[in-house]
Amino acid sequence: DIVMTQSPDSLAVSLGERATINCKSSQSVLYSPNNQEYLAWYQQKPGQPPKLLIYWASTRESGVPDRFSGSGSGTDFTLTISSLQAEDVAVYYCQQYYSTPLTFGQGTKLEI
Amino acid sequence: EVQLLESGGGLVQPGGSLRLSCAASGFTFSNYAMSWVRQAPGKGLEWVSAISGSGSTTYYADSVKGRFTISRDNSKKTLYMQMNTLRAEDTAIYYCAKDKPEHQPNYYFDYWGQGTLVTVSS
Repeated sequence: DIVMTQSPDSLAVSLGERATINCKSSQSVLYSPNNQEYLAWYQQKPGQPPKLLIYWASTRESGVPDRFSGSGSGTDFTLTISSLQAEDVAVYYCQQYYSTPLTFGQGTKLEI
Repeated sequence: EVQLLESGGGLVQPGGSLRLSCAASGFTFSNYAMSWVRQAPGKGLEWVSAISGSGSTTYYADSVKGRFTISRDNSKKTLYMQMNTLRAEDTAIYYCAKDKPEHQPNYYFDYWGQGTLVTVSS
C-alpha cells in the first residue's frame, strides 16, 4: 500500500499570508506511460463532505480560486494557498490514485 | 446539477448487517466509476471500495474485504454497499463519491454525497 504522509498536522496562518501543506508518498505516484502524477487534493470544512481542489498534482478543479495551486512530482507534493482567506479554514487531504487501495494523507488542519 | 444522496445508515449491533444506497442524478451514471469513502468520528478519510461504470470491476480496502460488497444498478442510477459482520471500527460517516473522468476510471472524486452515519454498537 502507498502511505501518504502530510506535514504539518496543523498550521496557523494570518489572513493574506501564504499557506503551504506538504504531502509525501511512500512510493512514486508518477505513471510513466502518460507522465502524470496520480495525486489529488481535497478541502473539507466542518460538517461538509470533501471538495476536490487539485488533481494530476497541479490541475485546478473548475471553480476553485486561483490562490490554490498544487506542485510536486514523484513522491513529494505541495498545496499552496497564496493569500489565505477566512473561508479557507478547513482540513486539507492529499490522495493518491496511482494504485488500489486508494489512500489519503492524515489531513492538515488549517487555521487563522 | 450532480446530486448524490446516501441512505441506509443507522445503529446496528456488532455482527449485524446494513445496506447503504446512493441515489445519483444529474449525470450519466453508467459512464462513471463510483466509490465509497468513510470517515470515523473526528478522524480522516478512508477509502472503502470502488466499482467501475459497468460494475464489472470492483476494489476493496483490506479492512472490509470479505465483509462488504459494492454493487450498482445503472437502470436505477443507484450505488450500493452491502455491509455484513459489522464491527465497532466500522462506525463512520459513509460517503459515496463520483469519479471525475468519464469512461476512464481514475478514482479521484469531483462530487461527494452528504454522507450517511453508520454506528456499530451494542
